[in-house]
Amino acid sequence: GNSVTQMEGPVTLSEEAFLTINCTYTATGYPSLFWYVQYPGEGLQLLLKATKADDKGSNKGFEATYRKETTSFHLEKGSVQVSDSAVYFCALNIPQGGSEKLVFGKGTKLTVNP
Amino acid sequence: DTGVSQNPRHKITKRGQNVTFRCDPISEHNRLYWYRQTLGQGPEFLTYFQNEAQLEKSRLLSDRFSAERPKGSFSTLEIQRTEQGDSAMYLCASSGLAGDLYNEQFFGPGTRLTVL
Repeated sequence: GNSVTQMEGPVTLSEEAFLTINCTYTATGYPSLFWYVQYPGEGLQLLLKATKADDKGSNKGFEATYRKETTSFHLEKGSVQVSDSAVYFCALNIPQGGSEKLVFGKGTKLTVNP
Repeated sequence: DTGVSQNPRHKITKRGQNVTFRCDPISEHNRLYWYRQTLGQGPEFLTYFQNEAQLEKSRLLSDRFSAERPKGSFSTLEIQRTEQGDSAMYLCASSGLAGDLYNEQFFGPGTRLTVL
């Protein structure tokens, strides 16, 4: 089946530190890969996506590269800010019959201290 | 349109009672999804509508769960004879515009259900 495994948290960093959150996946077929973010008290928001191997998704200083050979989609940011404190979810979908249901990892809680 | 809305935001009920949640998607979106999220876990897919047709249901959706989307607009999710294990955040998402290569799912704020 299809599944996503994320680095377990919580992760606590100081402002301006480098961030990596690991994500690996198992999928039948050719998935698209996503990072969603959930800020405190808010709904899930799409942060970035990549739809084929070697694609790099980027947004708000975050990046992730679709690595088919290692089945990975690690999230990185060079210098985190306090406002990046949130829960981050790695996800995949395999469009089938019109459905693009998402399969999520368990989430990684990030806290950035000033 | 300000996005996907869900009502109520919180629901506390006693075991054995029925509950119904409502989701109003972004108006031009033809696809609607329900997910369930328990504490410390990522959201899990429950069911999917394209317009008014329910095209996919997860095995997580037991016989006590039913979802509808009359006229392809808002959707309701009903849970009959609630159990304590039903306590979770119920998320709705919509996506749309036929023909797009990828349809981003926009999520609502969720309905938090607590079964006592």
